[in-house]
Amino acid sequence: AQSVTQPDIHITVSEGASLELRCNYSYGATPYLFWYVQSPGQGLQLLLKYFSGDTLVQGIKGFEAEFKRSQSSFNLRKPSVHWSDAAEYFCAVGGHNAGNNRKLIWGLGTSLAVNP
Amino acid sequence: NAGVMQNPRHLVRRRGQEARLRCSPMKGHSHVYWYRQLPEEGLKFMVYLQKENIIDESGMPKERFSAEFPKEGPSILRIQQVVRGDSAAYFCASSPRTVVSSYNEQFFGPGTRLTVL
Repeated sequence: AQSVTQPDIHITVSEGASLELRCNYSYGATPYLFWYVQSPGQGLQLLLKYFSGDTLVQGIKGFEAEFKRSQSSFNLRKPSVHWSDAAEYFCAVGGHNAGNNRKLIWGLGTSLAVNP
Repeated sequence: NAGVMQNPRHLVRRRGQEARLRCSPMKGHSHVYWYRQLPEEGLKFMVYLQKENIIDESGMPKERFSAEFPKEGPSILRIQQVVRGDSAAYFCASSPRTVVSSYNEQFFGPGTRLTVL
């Protein structure tokens, strides 16, 4: 079955500290992986995506993520967190365009709080 | 280039009424997706449409829910006889025409927050 697991429901870090948000997936075909961020009451903004090639991908706002096929993981990282990074973070997996693989399968999200 | 537009942003309905949610995709996009986000949960896929066609409705509840994407005008998600459990945020996303074996990013609208009293 296709699924995405984000083991951490809530994470609190201090401003300036490093951050890693975990994401594990189960997907039968070649996965396309995404991280989205959702601020309170807002829509979803794409942080970064992995389709193929270099397994370390860079995104917006200083975020990066590493695809590890052997671990079925796509963890999100940021070396120094800013107070404005407080939000909900969602990991999602999708497939290529053949058949019905276009839909995204989502994790339940990780809520990030940043202490001053 | 305007992003994905959704209206209304907030919708309040009483049990038994109908809710109509609209989504205008980005210019040049011909694919629309609807997702539902229940409180304290992630997003769940509902339906994927192209112009005048429903491609995948595997996430749609069997009753009361319907979606369309006409040749002209926005995509509509319609919920008949709403119940309290329908209270959620409904997000629409769009993507451009695609080539098989590739993947195009889905761009999300701000969502419609439905409250059923």
